Amino acid sequence: GAVVSQHPSRVICKSGTSVKIECRSLDFQATTMFWYRQFPKQSLMLMATSNEGSKATYEQGVEKDKFLINHASLTLSTLTVTSAHPEDSSFYICSAPRVVAGNEQFFGPGTRLTVL
Amino acid sequence: QKEVEQNSGPLSVPEGAIASLNCTYSDRGSQSFFWYRQYSGKSPELIMSIYSNGDKEDGRFTAQLNKASQYVSLLIRDSQPSDSATYLCAVKGYGGATNKLIFGTGTLLAVQP
Repeated sequence: GAVVSQHPSRVICKSGTSVKIECRSLDFQATTMFWYRQFPKQSLMLMATSNEGSKATYEQGVEKDKFLINHASLTLSTLTVTSAHPEDSSFYICSAPRVVAGNEQFFGPGTRLTVL
Repeated sequence: QKEVEQNSGPLSVPEGAIASLNCTYSDRGSQSFFWYRQYSGKSPELIMSIYSNGDKEDGRFTAQLNKASQYVSLLIRDSQPSDSATYLCAVKGYGGATNKLIFGTGTLLAVQP
């Protein structure tokens, strides 16, 4: 199947710092990527849709100034958690749809963020 | 009403049995349906996609879709302990500028050896 990578896989930071997470589609181009957050024992929550060359679309209740998304190329989207706080600790997962696969979405391995 | 509904489980089945996972959705215009498997602490992995009414088989997995009843299911034959995971049903609507998926909350499957 298609491969989507994320970096870093795990990050621990101090409260107030910013953390950048990268999502790459390794063998296909993605004009759209999605960012999810998942708290323990809960389902995936879509945070935003990342659009190459244009602004991201955020879901209701997600602060766009806190979760900055940049889709700089057809294979790379980044999510920056600005001024992170302990309540931002979560599992962040990106996904990308592959057109030739019927727009099936493939998920990255996820980034576990812990804010102390 | 939730857009995609699943029984949270846990669904417990003995090894070798058939596990049946169910999902209902509210948007009658939905066109694409997916089943993902998620192991604890890992990201979701695509198992099956189905777009037309009827059954679609892939190895031990069979997806079933009934658009009239707005119902999609996943059957796992010869269940193995390694199948123990949370199974997420996802639905994509018709048209629109994005390929946004709507996920159910997932069903936890436990296969007992």
